[in-house]
Amino acid sequence: DTEVTQTPKHLVMGMTNKKSLKCEQHMGHRAMYWYKQKAKKPPELMFVYSYEKLSINESVPSRFSPECPNSSLLNLHLHALQPEDSALYLCASSPPLGGGAHETQYFGPGTRLLVL
Amino acid sequence: SQQGEEDPQALSIQEGENATMNCSYKTSINNLQWYRQNSGRGLVHLILIRSNEREKHSGRLRVTLDTSKKSSSLLITASRAADTASYFCATDANDYKLSFGAGTTVTVRA
Repeated sequence: DTEVTQTPKHLVMGMTNKKSLKCEQHMGHRAMYWYKQKAKKPPELMFVYSYEKLSINESVPSRFSPECPNSSLLNLHLHALQPEDSALYLCASSPPLGGGAHETQYFGPGTRLLVL
Repeated sequence: SQQGEEDPQALSIQEGENATMNCSYKTSINNLQWYRQNSGRGLVHLILIRSNEREKHSGRLRVTLDTSKKSSSLLITASRAADTASYFCATDANDYKLSFGAGTTVTVRA
């Protein structure tokens, strides 16, 4: 298995809803990432997990809550989102190199989120 | 945070022509990577060039890196309709954080 999968592909939610995005990889990668991408803009890093521990939080609002239950799975829990949170949410993973460094990232197809 | 700037923002070429895009960045890097994104989809890694390398090839792709000018270029030779996509450079200054450029949108006309 050489891909990163994301579910759902599309999600529409109201501002009072709670939903979750799921990301999975079975490539043995030990770093996993969440990015947010607005139309015609580059991806913006949100969170990084390394060896199942949260290592980077790019000052993301608490209405986004990441979770890494195991080395293959990454979730993003959403609660009380705002319309401006509508975007493509991308998950990525990367293999460990010597010394724990990670380089090339492998991206999933993304979840397109619309907040009404 | 966005470190790279890409030039041009958009490029339209005829099938069979070459496409060149440039990326400039601000701080020291470990490596520079190029990614492709088809409309509304995930990014696909194309090529990685390390800070001690000057040029790298992969199929129809040629990447150069000039660390003294803090710039890189991506050349796609003999372009095809399937090369229509957005191309992003990304700099890696530490272990985990990639900083993406604004991207170049390439349209290949049949």
